[in-house]
Amino acid sequence: GENVEQHPSTLSVQEGDSAVIKCTYSDSASNYFPWYKQELGKRPQLIIDIRSNVGEKKDQRIAVTLNKTAKHFSLHITETQPEDSAVYFCAASITGGGNKLTFGTGTQLKVEL
Amino acid sequence: NAGVTQTPKFQVLKTGQSMTLQCAQDMNHNSMYWYRQDPGMGLRLIYYSASEGTTDKGEVPNGYNVSRLNKREFSLRLESAAPSQTSVYFCASSEEDRTYTFGSGTRLTVV
Repeated sequence: GENVEQHPSTLSVQEGDSAVIKCTYSDSASNYFPWYKQELGKRPQLIIDIRSNVGEKKDQRIAVTLNKTAKHFSLHITETQPEDSAVYFCAASITGGGNKLTFGTGTQLKVEL
Repeated sequence: NAGVTQTPKFQVLKTGQSMTLQCAQDMNHNSMYWYRQDPGMGLRLIYYSASEGTTDKGEVPNGYNVSRLNKREFSLRLESAAPSQTSVYFCASSEEDRTYTFGSGTRLTVV
């Protein structure tokens, strides 16, 4: 089955700096790659996603890039703010088969003042 | 719309006891899922239901059973709870485009 690896496990940045989280996946058939943000004690919330027919997608301060050849994708957060502090999860999925998501192990992002 | 509703929010069980976690969605989604979340291990799929009337094992199904009661409801049952099942459990449902909506979670402790 699919295996998703995520790095780093913890990331500390100064407010205003950029943060980058990287994921790799194993199944070349995967074609949907969402990112979820989870605040302490809350449910995961979708923040951005990308499908394999595009290489990059932006939404304000957040962007995701996808390299299908290398089987990796990354989350970029610019101009970080304290409210960006949370755990971020990447995931991967193939079409059909119940549309199951396989998640990475998460990155704890801390934005320091 | 309530989205995905999970009950209970918290539960403490003794080893060997049984319980059912309930999940209901009001978004007319075909697919529903149960995940468990443990520190440092992300979310791992226990069981899923691609459509009403079907259920399939995920990555960590041992010790669990599920029932897709109808299109709205998908329950997770622990027949004989073990300390290794202490975790936070999330139910989710998804559109055909694979956008997931998660419930608020159930924090289960088995002592």
